[in-house]
Amino acid sequence: RKEVEQDPGPFNVPEGATVAFNCTYSNSASQSFFWYRQDCRKEPKLLMSVYSSGNEDGRFTAQLNRASQYISLLIRDSKLSDSATYLCVVSNFNKFYFGSGTKLNVKP
Amino acid sequence: DAGVIQSPRHEVTEMGQEVTLRCKPISGHDYLFWYRQTMMRGLELLIYFNNNVPIDDSGMPEDRFSAKMPNASFSTLKIQPSEPRDSAVYFCASTQGQGEGANYGYTFGSGTRLTVV
Repeated sequence: RKEVEQDPGPFNVPEGATVAFNCTYSNSASQSFFWYRQDCRKEPKLLMSVYSSGNEDGRFTAQLNRASQYISLLIRDSKLSDSATYLCVVSNFNKFYFGSGTKLNVKP
Repeated sequence: DAGVIQSPRHEVTEMGQEVTLRCKPISGHDYLFWYRQTMMRGLELLIYFNNNVPIDDSGMPEDRFSAKMPNASFSTLKIQPSEPRDSAVYFCASTQGQGEGANYGYTFGSGTRLTVV
């Protein structure tokens, strides 16, 4: 079983839509959680950390559900520039496990 | 800060040749990671170092791959001999490390796109 699983998508949404991604992880002892964004032919970049109480950064909201072992990312009022692949990342003892990513296409 | 610096950006080599990829982590980051990314397998952790010491190399595919970190500001990943199936993007990343309550992410370099023909 993979450490981290994500729906690969693609999610095709119109500008202004709200879109949500989920990600499940297998190790209940996982310590830290992140969402990364990767543009085509670029390196992954940290989008936001995910805290136990949930956290928001502008149009982006991240949540963690330890009981069900999943994390989520909600994007409100999506922009064309949000088109990218979103990687769910789970950390355990300094090893980061990456999901395979969810591709988002925001259309005009 | 210049970020994590990798070289070369692109490498095209013939099967059987030796390939050396280089990485300079962010100053002060005591963890360094080498990843490989392909369409089929996504991001795979190859090896990581803490304070220049290799901690976990279980992701290194086989003996043809080796990695070193002679000092805090430099690491190499070597493939000898290279094979076409090694074609991928190789990323180096660094971080301050993790601990109870710590929540630092990685910073990735721009990657080396390796093509073995």
